[in-house]
Amino acid sequence: QMQLQESGPGLVKPSGTLSLTCTVSGGSIRSSTYYWGWIRQPPGKGLEWVGGIYSTGATYYNPSLESRVTISIDTSKNQFSLKVNSVAAADTAVYYCARHARLLPDQWGQGTLVTVSS
Amino acid sequence: QSALTQPPSVSGSPGQSVTISCTGTTSDVGGFDRVSWYQQPPGTAPKLLIYEVSYRPSGVPDRFSGSKTGNTASLTISGLQAEDEADYYCSSYTIISTVVFGGGTKLTVL
Repeated sequence: QMQLQESGPGLVKPSGTLSLTCTVSGGSIRSSTYYWGWIRQPPGKGLEWVGGIYSTGATYYNPSLESRVTISIDTSKNQFSLKVNSVAAADTAVYYCARHARLLPDQWGQGTLVTVSS
Repeated sequence: QSALTQPPSVSGSPGQSVTISCTGTTSDVGGFDRVSWYQQPPGTAPKLLIYEVSYRPSGVPDRFSGSKTGNTASLTISGLQAEDEADYYCSSYTIISTVVFGGGTKLTVL
C-alpha cells in the first residue's frame, strides 16, 4: 500500500516562495501507472487542483496558478516537490500531495497547513 | 477552468437516500468518463469513493453509487448512516489535461 507524506515549512512570508516535498513509500514513483500531483484547500473552503507531474518530467498546471507554480520530481529519492512563488495570504491552505490513477487523484497524503504571514 | 457546480448542502434522515449532482461542461464531465467522487470528514484528507463515473474502490460500501448523464455526474448514497455526514467533492479530467473539482457539498444526516 503506497503512502504519501508532505513536508516543508508551515509559515511563509508574503512575496516569498512556498516549498513542499512529498515522499512516496511502499511503491515506486517511476511507475507508469500513476502520476503525481498537488491539491490545496484554503481553510473552510473547497479543493483546488494545483498541478501534476509524470515520472518522465512532463507537467500540467492549473491555468490560474501556472505563472507561479513549479512541480518537479526526483525519482532517485522517490519524491516530488512543489514551489509557489510570490505568495500572498490567499495561498494559505492545507496542501495535499496525491497519487493520480486513471488521470484523477486516488490516494492522498494527510496534508500540511501552510500559512502565509509576516 | 471553472469549478464544477455542486449544491452547497444536502440532508437526509438515516435510512433514506440522497443524491449529489456535479455539473460541468463538454470540456470536462461531459467529454470524458473520468469523474471521481471523494468523501472528506472534518479535519481529514479526502477519501476516494467512486472513480471513472461509477466504479467503487475496494472497501467502499455498495451504498455509494455514481452515474453520469451528459454534463452532469451524480453520487447517490442509499441507506444513509450517521457516519456518512461529511463534505463530498466531485472531480473531472479536462480537455486541457488538468483536473477540476466541484465546490463541495456538505451532507447532514438529520
